[in-house]
Amino acid sequence: DIQMTQSPSSVSASVGDRVTITCRASQGISGWLAWYQQKPGKAPKSLIYAASTLQSGVPSRFSGSGSETNFSLTISSLQSEDFATYYCQQTLTYPRTFGGGTKVVIK
Amino acid sequence: EVQLLESGGRLIQPGGSLRLSCVGSGFTFRKYVMSWVRQAPGKALEWVAGISDSGHDTYYAASVQGRFTISRDNAKNTLYLQMNSLRGEDTAIYFCAKEDLPVAPSTIGLGFDYWGQGTLVTVSS
Repeated sequence: DIQMTQSPSSVSASVGDRVTITCRASQGISGWLAWYQQKPGKAPKSLIYAASTLQSGVPSRFSGSGSETNFSLTISSLQSEDFATYYCQQTLTYPRTFGGGTKVVIK
Repeated sequence: EVQLLESGGRLIQPGGSLRLSCVGSGFTFRKYVMSWVRQAPGKALEWVAGISDSGHDTYYAASVQGRFTISRDNAKNTLYLQMNSLRGEDTAIYFCAKEDLPVAPSTIGLGFDYWGQGTLVTVSS
């Protein structure tokens, strides 16, 4: 199975900050990576697929990059509604493994 | 509007069985790969099982292989998860999710673009 490792597990930031979350795959997955945002008590929401393609309706302050084993999600200017937990997921093969999550909290 | 509505979660004793359902609407259900994903209290997301658009191909996480069965009825726009020999560690919210493929048939996906609201399964005596 492909293991997905996210870092950091938690990040403290202020509104307006630039935040970057990284995700590492245990083997090359080309660009087959998705990112999700989850708020407490809610289902995850798709943000990005194929490493860098924004889902319809997702604000442009979110961006994704990377390939093979190293990926990142960047929020260019953090907004209050962005405080949440973020997950990466490889979509190359089954099982569709997720990273452990990164919680973005208010500083 | 795409909607996924799960049902069937409840309190169940260890060793018991339960079937979850997920009804899809607002899209052509038979054309999409579907999955179940779970989340134990305070824990990360865990992919559980996936099924091809036709239902011919199924995939499982090692943690549920041999105990859980994913299936679908495209005539009823419904996805199922039959869970047997339930254990305490199966306690979680179970979400169903829809996935598009860049090209079909393929095991490569584009991630889960729509999710249900989840149904809670609690395994406890």
